[in-house]
Amino acid sequence: NAGVTQTPKFQVLKTGQSMTLQCAQDMNHEYMSWYRQDPGMGLRLIHYSVGAGITDQGEVPNGYNVSRSTTEDFPLRLLSAAPSQTSVYFCASKRGQINYGYTFGSGTRLTIV
Amino acid sequence: DQQVKQNSPSLSVQEGRISILNCDYTNSMFDYFLWYKKYPAEGPTFLISISSIKDKNEDGRFTVFLNKSAKHLSLHIVPSQPGDSAVYFCAARRDNQGGKLIFGQGTELSVKP
Repeated sequence: NAGVTQTPKFQVLKTGQSMTLQCAQDMNHEYMSWYRQDPGMGLRLIHYSVGAGITDQGEVPNGYNVSRSTTEDFPLRLLSAAPSQTSVYFCASKRGQINYGYTFGSGTRLTIV
Repeated sequence: DQQVKQNSPSLSVQEGRISILNCDYTNSMFDYFLWYKKYPAEGPTFLISISSIKDKNEDGRFTVFLNKSAKHLSLHIVPSQPGDSAVYFCAARRDNQGGKLIFGQGTELSVKP
């Protein structure tokens, strides 16, 4: 049982490049989310999903796309990377409306140069 | 528009004493609150939560207090231990948006031996 797996752990991109951050969970969790962590800003919600085929925007969705074709996977796409997207990205999942918290992955540190 | 605020970026406490971390929120529709703990280079881990119908929840050394009229919650750690040194995040959600968890900026706790 691997939990929430994020790949890659580190990535450097050039401005304008595109890339996909991968997130997979093996706990059969319905809910999945993407957050970014920046100094002084805490964790800000980018996009979230309450099930396969269902996604919605969070607090800071601009510049990011998501899709949820399976329960297990929730990739985050940067279409044209900008230096402002330099951050640590966390994926998280949880089982439906049960009132315990999300389980987080270990993060992807992304630098845009 | 920061709906969940942690106004103290850092807190230093002596081992064995009480640590009190504070969190304020602005959205009266929030009905569930959570605290997460984060070590460097790791994802956040769920610590303790409280429903808006309660004013206190206790789990071992950790107690969360909720004051709905003041839109304020606090996390008490007694006694504090050096291993508690981490960044603590407060988070909140609305009942009809169970997938959407909003975090504060975090407070870095340092427990000194």
